[in-house]
Amino acid sequence: GDSVTQMEGPVTLSEEAFLTINCTYTATGYPSLFWYVQYPGEGLQLLLKATKADDKGSNKGFEATYRKETTSFHLEKGSVQVSDSAVYFCALSAGNFGNEKLTFGTGTRLTIIP
Amino acid sequence: DAGVIQSPRHEVTEMGQEVTLRCKPISGHNSLFWYRQTMMRGLELLIYFNNNVPIDDSGMPEDRFSAKMPNASFSTLKIQPSEPRDSAVYFCASKTQGFGYGYTFGSGTRLTVV
Repeated sequence: GDSVTQMEGPVTLSEEAFLTINCTYTATGYPSLFWYVQYPGEGLQLLLKATKADDKGSNKGFEATYRKETTSFHLEKGSVQVSDSAVYFCALSAGNFGNEKLTFGTGTRLTIIP
Repeated sequence: DAGVIQSPRHEVTEMGQEVTLRCKPISGHNSLFWYRQTMMRGLELLIYFNNNVPIDDSGMPEDRFSAKMPNASFSTLKIQPSEPRDSAVYFCASKTQGFGYGYTFGSGTRLTVV
């Protein structure tokens, strides 16, 4: 079945460091890929997405490129801020039309220290 | 758009009591999802609906849990009787049809069963 594997957390970085959170997936067909972010005490928010191979999703300085050849969708940011501290979830959407549930990874907790 | 609206935000109840969580999806979204999030088990899909019809309830823990969607603008998740192990944050999410669309999550209901 469909699955998403994220790097284990927690991840702790200093402010202005470069961030990479790895995400790989297994799916039938051509899934759409997503990154969600969850700040403390809140629900998950869509951060960025990509719907086909070689697409790059970007938002708030974060980027991720849909790599079909490596089945990956790694999240990157060039210079993190304390406000980026949150839990990040990678997800995919596949299956049959009308049965489009998301499959989530386990989440990666990111802490940025000043 | 008001987003996905969940109520109550917090619920504290005694073991054995009935608990009802409520969700109003975004107007025009035709899929609705109920998730449970705990530290130990992460994010778990409980049930989801397409066009008000339950499609997959395999994540519902046991018969004490039930969910309904009587119309396109309202859904409930009921636990009867509640137990301390049901303590978690329960999220509702909705989406429009199509693989390229992600979920919009509500802010969640934090349930504590004592």
